[in-house]
Amino acid sequence: AQKVTQAQTEISVVEKEDVTLDCVYETRDTTYYLFWYKQPPSGELVFLIRRNSFDEQNEISGRYSWNFQKSTSSFNFTITASQVVDSAVYFCALSEASGNTPLVFGKGTRLSVIA
Amino acid sequence: DAGVIQSPRHEVTEMGQEVTLRCKPISGHNSLFWYRQTMMRGLELLIYFNNNVPIDDSGMPEDRFSAKMPNASFSTLKIQPSEPRDSAVYFCASSPTGSIRNTEAFFGQGTRLTVV
Repeated sequence: AQKVTQAQTEISVVEKEDVTLDCVYETRDTTYYLFWYKQPPSGELVFLIRRNSFDEQNEISGRYSWNFQKSTSSFNFTITASQVVDSAVYFCALSEASGNTPLVFGKGTRLSVIA
Repeated sequence: DAGVIQSPRHEVTEMGQEVTLRCKPISGHNSLFWYRQTMMRGLELLIYFNNNVPIDDSGMPEDRFSAKMPNASFSTLKIQPSEPRDSAVYFCASSPTGSIRNTEAFFGQGTRLTVV
């Protein structure tokens, strides 16, 4: 069965610090998809990135970067030079290609960036 | 370009009352998902539809919950009778392909339900 673990429940950093949010997943499928979503205080879920299991290239988008390591079943998310607007709950999610469950989410990591 | 629209945004109701949550997916999307978010259990999939047909409702907690999608532009999630433990934020999401697996889901802003 698929499972996503975000061990960090809450993280606080001071503005301009770098922060890494951890995500570890479990799946028996060889084909799967990994996602990160952001949930700001307003409550909506905002898509950030999708990765498929055959693409282990790391990705950078502005201050955001993602490190996908199949060997450790991890898909970590780093925010460089954090800003107060980055304060939100961040969810990692997994979808198996052959499973019946579309998206399974981790419990989320609440990030607070303090000015 | 309108996103997924949910109504109402907030709902407060008394235990035992019927509650209906509504969702309008993004036009052209053919998959629709209902999720529930609570502090204890996080985000749980309740049910999803593909081309208006329910595919998997194994996440629906009990018979008090039901969902329908009468057409491609509208879905409802009904709780009857409601109980305090149903208090949560309910999200609707839609996806442009037959499977959420290879594309992202677009979420509505959620309905915060409080059952007193």
